[in-house]
Amino acid sequence: ENVLTQSPGTLSLSTGERATLSCRASQSVSFNYLAWYQQKPGQAPRLLIYGVSSRATGVPDRFSGSGSGTDFTLTISRLEPEDFAMYYCQQYATSITFGQGTRLEIK
Amino acid sequence: EVQLVESGGGLVQPGGSLRLSCGTSGFTFRNYAMSWIRQAPGKGLERVSTISGDTTYIEYSDSVKGRFAISRDNARNTLFLDMNSLRAEDSAVYYCATHLGSGYGADAFEVWGQGTLVTISS
Repeated sequence: ENVLTQSPGTLSLSTGERATLSCRASQSVSFNYLAWYQQKPGQAPRLLIYGVSSRATGVPDRFSGSGSGTDFTLTISRLEPEDFAMYYCQQYATSITFGQGTRLEIK
Repeated sequence: EVQLVESGGGLVQPGGSLRLSCGTSGFTFRNYAMSWIRQAPGKGLERVSTISGDTTYIEYSDSVKGRFAISRDNARNTLFLDMNSLRAEDSAVYYCATHLGSGYGADAFEVWGQGTLVTISS
């Protein structure tokens, strides 16, 4: 199983700041099959990024993904109030696994 | 607009059974693989099962293999999950989700339903 470890567990930032979330895989993720999701309390997850860096439909361009191999990053360039939420990475190269999540909270 | 609506959740005793349904609209259902993903209270996401559009490919997580069965009715645009021998650790919100692409197997999940809560308790 390809275990995904997200860091930090909690990230405290202010509106307007830049957020950098990390996802590290225990094995290399082939074909860039790495996605990111946002989840707000009481809601289903929402696909943000797939294929490491492709934004899903309707996702603002302040969200960007990067990385390769075992190290991946989700960057939010300037935080808006609605961006404070849980974020999960997922790999779909070797079966499907999710990271444990990063909570992005208001400082 | 793509819509997914889960139903069938509820309170069940350990060892019991439950059938979840996911009604869909707004896309050509038979062309897409679908998955069930669950989230225990306050926990992360776990993919439970996946089925291809033509039902020839099915995959289960080790935690439910032999107890759960995924199926679909392409004429009714509906996805199912039959859950047997339920355990306390199966308690979770169960989401159905569409795959991003039209291929087989693993993929990112493009559209999610609102989820249905399954609680296993005596």
